[in-house]
Amino acid sequence: QVHLVQSGPEVKTPGDSVKISCKASGFIYSTTGITWVRQAPGQGLEWVAWISNYGGATKYAQKFRDRVAVTTDGFTNTAYLELRSLRSDDTATYFCARAPHYYFDFWGQGTVITVSS
Amino acid sequence: SYVLTQPPSVSVAPGQTATLTCGGNSIGTKAVHWSQQRPGQAPVLVVYDDSERPSEIPDRFSASNSGDTAALTITGAEAGDEADYYCQVFDPDSDHWVFGGGTRLTVL
Repeated sequence: QVHLVQSGPEVKTPGDSVKISCKASGFIYSTTGITWVRQAPGQGLEWVAWISNYGGATKYAQKFRDRVAVTTDGFTNTAYLELRSLRSDDTATYFCARAPHYYFDFWGQGTVITVSS
Repeated sequence: SYVLTQPPSVSVAPGQTATLTCGGNSIGTKAVHWSQQRPGQAPVLVVYDDSERPSEIPDRFSASNSGDTAALTITGAEAGDEADYYCQVFDPDSDHWVFGGGTRLTVL
């Protein structure tokens, strides 16, 4: 079955960068895109970024466009999200999800990123 | 940018029907997807492309989309349906995915 397993929690200082991962299994990785969604404590879901199969195309939410990068490694079936110049309001749980079309059908367990001085 | 509006909370008695709405300008022209998020868990897709259900989702979950309102209907509500429900669309004008603010369903 489809599994998306994300890397562990991160604690960062404002201004730092962080790179988290999402390892996929149970499906042909090259056939779908991967998206990233975040959720601040007690808040709703917020779309962050998307990368196509093979990594040929990316989309970024406007508010993150100058600080975020998504990449993918087809050899290890792993997607990555890098967020730079971290701020305290970047503290959130970051989810990856499979995006076979314009919906997200399987989600990772989430990675908690805490930004605090 | 495109905005999706959901009521913050809906309550339903066990066994009754809950209808959760998602408002957006001409949302009927877009494909709407719904996810369920139980406390402390990752979201789960319950409806995609307006009214399609993943195979593991019971047929108590149904949805519609027309005009300026999409709706998710849960018939025979159960305690296990208590969760936050999010509607979502892709907005081609901004090339962004958009989530509604979410509705907390309480079964009491």
